[in-house]
This record gives sequence, structure tokens and C-alpha cells, in this order.
Amino acid sequence: AQSVSQHNHHVILSEAASLELGCNYSYGGTVNLFWYVQYPGQHLQLLLKYFSGDPLVKGIKGFEAEFIKSKFSFNLRKPSVQWSDTAEYFCAVSSNAGNNRKLIWGLGTSLAVNP
Amino acid sequence: DAGVIQSPRHEVTEMGQEVTLRCKPISGHDYLFWYRQTMMRGLELLIYFNNNVPIDDSGMPEDRFSAKMPNASFSTLKIQPSEPRDSAVYFCASTGLAGVNEQFFGPGTRLTVL
Repeated sequence: AQSVSQHNHHVILSEAASLELGCNYSYGGTVNLFWYVQYPGQHLQLLLKYFSGDPLVKGIKGFEAEFIKSKFSFNLRKPSVQWSDTAEYFCAVSSNAGNNRKLIWGLGTSLAVNP
Repeated sequence: DAGVIQSPRHEVTEMGQEVTLRCKPISGHDYLFWYRQTMMRGLELLIYFNNNVPIDDSGMPEDRFSAKMPNASFSTLKIQPSEPRDSAVYFCASTGLAGVNEQFFGPGTRLTVL
């Protein structure tokens, strides 16, 4: 069965620290990969996405993620976090086959950035 | 575009009452998803529609939950009768056939069942 695993459930960092959130997926075919962010009390918003091409994807607010096919991973990174990055981060995967639009979600990683 | 619209934003009801949540997808999107988010279980897909037809309802927890999409611009999620364990934030999301699977989320409905 398809699944997404996010390694860190809770992360606490100080401002200016570097961030890396792990995401691994289990799926045998071609995939589309996403990172969503949910700020406190708000809805999910797309942070970045990968469909094809350059495996290093740049998103909004200085975030980037690298797709490593051999490792089935799509880790999220940011070189220097800010207090405003405090949020819940979700990794999601979908099949690229046909008209499937269903996303398989990780359980999320809660990031707290201390000022 | 106004994005995905959900109503109400907050709902407080008593156990046993019927609850109806509403969603208007982004115009032109033909996929609509209903999710439930709780601290314990995270983000769960309840059901999704394509062209107003339910495609996968395997996430609907039990017969008390039902969802409809009478037209391309409106969907409802109904809980009857409601129970305290149904308390959660319910999100609606939509996407289109643009070759990508990016889902656009609504603001959510925070449901509290007393």
C-alpha cells in the first residue's frame, strides 16, 4: 500500500538555525511530490511541488526540497529559519498515472521556532 | 478567484444533532475532496468526487457520515447523528485536470460536538 513517512513529529529550533524535515514514501510508480504548510489556525497551503525535471525544487519563503528517487525521499530544507516559520508541515505523494488525484499524506511535523 | 469556500467556519452542536458542512470549490476544478483533521489521527481523506460523482469514499468513518455533490459548484458533508468524537476541523479541497495534482484547500470548519 502507498504510504508516506515523516520522520520528525516535533522539531524545535532557534531562529537562524538550518532546517531539514525528512519525508519518505512507498510507491512503485511515477509520483508527484508535495510539501504543504499549515500556519497556526489556518488551512493548508502549498509550499512546493515536484513533478519532473530538476530534482531540486525551490518553493516559497526560501524553502527547497530534493527528490532522491533511489531513496524514495523528498526532504524539505531551509538554510535559516525564522519565527514566522512556526507551523505544521505535511509531505504528500500522488501517483502520476491516469486521472488519479488522490494524495497520500504524512502525519505532519510540527515546527516551533524560538525567537 | 475567491478560492475554496467553506461554511460555517465554526459549528458547535450537541450530541445527536444533525450537522451539515458546505463547500464551494474553485471554479473550473472538477475534483473535490473532504478531509478531517484531528490531533490524534492527523489529516484523513474522507471522500472525493470527480465531476460530481463520488470516486472513493473508503475514508468515511461510518454510516452517520454522508456527502453529496449535486453540482459542480457545491458539496455538502452531513453527520447525522453527531457524536463528540466527530469534533475536528473539516477541510474541503479542490483540484483540476491541468495535469497536476496540487490541491487547494478551504479555510476549514471547526466542529465541536458537546
